Amino acid sequence: SYVVTQPPSVSVAPGKTARITCDGDNIVTKSVHWYQQKPGQAPVLVIYYDYERPSGIPERFSGSNSGNTATLTITRVEAGDEADYYCQVWDSKLIFGGGTRLTVL
Amino acid sequence: QVHLQESGPGLLKPSETLSLTCSVSNYSISSDYSWGWVRQPPGKGLDWVGSISPSGDTFYNPSLQRRVTISADTAKNQFSLRLTSVTAADSAVYYCARLRVVVKTANYYFDFWGQGALVTVSS
Repeated sequence: SYVVTQPPSVSVAPGKTARITCDGDNIVTKSVHWYQQKPGQAPVLVIYYDYERPSGIPERFSGSNSGNTATLTITRVEAGDEADYYCQVWDSKLIFGGGTRLTVL
Repeated sequence: QVHLQESGPGLLKPSETLSLTCSVSNYSISSDYSWGWVRQPPGKGLDWVGSISPSGDTFYNPSLQRRVTISADTAKNQFSLRLTSVTAADSAVYYCARLRVVVKTANYYFDFWGQGALVTVSS
């Protein structure tokens, strides 16, 4: 069955750019969606359809999808962006990546 | 703004049946969106349990299909999860959420989530 793989952790200094990847076989043929989950809270959709932003999500959050890798990019990272991030696709079932812990140094 | 709220027992014994209800406000569950359940074991990632369409069609994670049932009560604007024969491995926070489905383009994603309900299975 289809598998999507994320790095367990990414660290970035405040004000810099964070890139969180989601790897899957020819993932470019799928739509990738991204969720942010802060400790003790429910997930929040931050990107859908590879790069679309729901209302209320800052423009600092963007997404891309090419080849075997989808990427969530967060520019001008803030302390409040520290969270777990999950990618998600559909392949006959709904599949989540294992999640990436973003640490703001 | 759509609001979802989970409710149900928080403690079960092994072999019992888990039953949770999701109450939806500010949106009719019989309108355009599907609805679903996602669970998260303590300290682990997200795992899709299953979903139900506005017409009542259900689709489940194959790993849970033999034990799970999702149903809807449109009069109460609620949908429910039933998971039989639970074990400690079913201990998790269970989230209900609204699911956007575009079958033609194989797009499925959750846009609104409840706050989650912790269910612990222990003897």
